[in-house]
Amino acid sequence: NAGVTQTPKFQVLKTGQSMTLQCAQDMNHEYMSWYRQDPGMGLRLIHYSVGAGITDQGEVPNGYNVSRSTTEDFPLRLLSAAPSQTSVYFCASSSQLRMYFGPGTRLTVT
Amino acid sequence: ILNVEQSPQSLHVQEGDSTNFTCSFPSSNFYALHWYRWETAKSPEALFVMTLNGDEKKKGRISATLNTKEGYSYLYIKGSQPEDSATYLCALPDRGSTLGRLYFGRGTQLTVWP
Repeated sequence: NAGVTQTPKFQVLKTGQSMTLQCAQDMNHEYMSWYRQDPGMGLRLIHYSVGAGITDQGEVPNGYNVSRSTTEDFPLRLLSAAPSQTSVYFCASSSQLRMYFGPGTRLTVT
Repeated sequence: ILNVEQSPQSLHVQEGDSTNFTCSFPSSNFYALHWYRWETAKSPEALFVMTLNGDEKKKGRISATLNTKEGYSYLYIKGSQPEDSATYLCALPDRGSTLGRLYFGRGTQLTVWP
């Protein structure tokens, strides 16, 4: 039982490049979400999903796309990276009463 | 967007001291409150989920209380140890469930000096 896994752990992108942050969970949770963590800002919700085929926007969705084709996977796509997207990204999946976080992806956009 | 406030922003205490900090939230449409512990370079880990006014939870030296009528929760740590050093986050969902879209406060960063 691996819980929530994220890849890669670290990534450096140039402005304008695109990439996908991978997230997978093996707990059969319906609810999954993506957060970004910036100094002094806490955790801010980017996108979330309440089940396969269903996604919705969080507080800071601009510049990111998500899809949920399976219960297990919830990738986050950066369409055209900008320096403002330099952050640590956490994927999470949830049972009704508890949220489980992945180890995070540290992204730097130069 | 749900406004979740935590205070203080940071706290430095000596080993053995007891400490507490606050999470404030809108008291209307309350469903649940979550407390998480977040150590540096790790992922946040769930401490408590609280749903009822007057609820009190305890895990070892850490306990939490909830007042939904006035919109606050306290987290207490008795006899702080250096390994308690972490950021403590509270979070609330904004929908009609115990989870929903979870909105986090900015956290209280606790440092315990030996």
